[in-house]
Amino acid sequence: ELKVEQNPLFLSMQEGKNYTIYCNYSTTSDRLYWYRQDPGKSLESLFVLLSNGAVKQEGRLMASLDTKARLSTLHITAAVHDLSATYFCAVDRTTSGTYKYIFGTGTRLKVLA
Amino acid sequence: DADVTQTPRNRITKTGKRIMLECSQTKGHDRMYWYRQDPGLGLRLIYYSFDVKDINKGEISDGYSVSRQAQAKFSLSLESAIPNQTALYFCATSDPGTSLGVVFGPGTRLTVT
Repeated sequence: ELKVEQNPLFLSMQEGKNYTIYCNYSTTSDRLYWYRQDPGKSLESLFVLLSNGAVKQEGRLMASLDTKARLSTLHITAAVHDLSATYFCAVDRTTSGTYKYIFGTGTRLKVLA
Repeated sequence: DADVTQTPRNRITKTGKRIMLECSQTKGHDRMYWYRQDPGLGLRLIYYSFDVKDINKGEISDGYSVSRQAQAKFSLSLESAIPNQTALYFCATSDPGTSLGVVFGPGTRLTVT
């Protein structure tokens, strides 16, 4: 059974600091996705990582994927308050050619001014 | 108009009542999903459908049923609601040909008293 784990579950950090969120998954998967959720809102797509070694960057966020280690990271550079949200990673599970998306438990990020 | 819509957006119901949550999408995707979100547990897959005739159970299907009325419509039913089904429910769609991940609806907040 595919398991997706994130850590930390909760992160409180000062503005201007750097930090990394980790996403581990238990079985081979083709792709990994990062989503952001603001309080009371739906999830919106941040990054799509499609191969080993893939790196994507948007503003102060950078995501990478190591399929051999079954690990993805979401690195935050010089955090600002607007990045406060919950971040989820998700993995495609390939079973007999079908796909479904399994999500991690989420990392709630709070950036303090 | 939103790509994925859910109705109702909020619902309070009593234990034992039957309730249906509806989802419609305009993206033309074949694949649709129902997720449940609980604090600290992330998103868990309830059911998923890869086309009108293909419906599959997810991680937590007990107590739920679904109907895929058309390519664009996928409804979730709670036959006899219980308090621990109180949660935020998301419908989502995906197009495997694009590898862009899932697109979420706005969510339905369900409270069972």
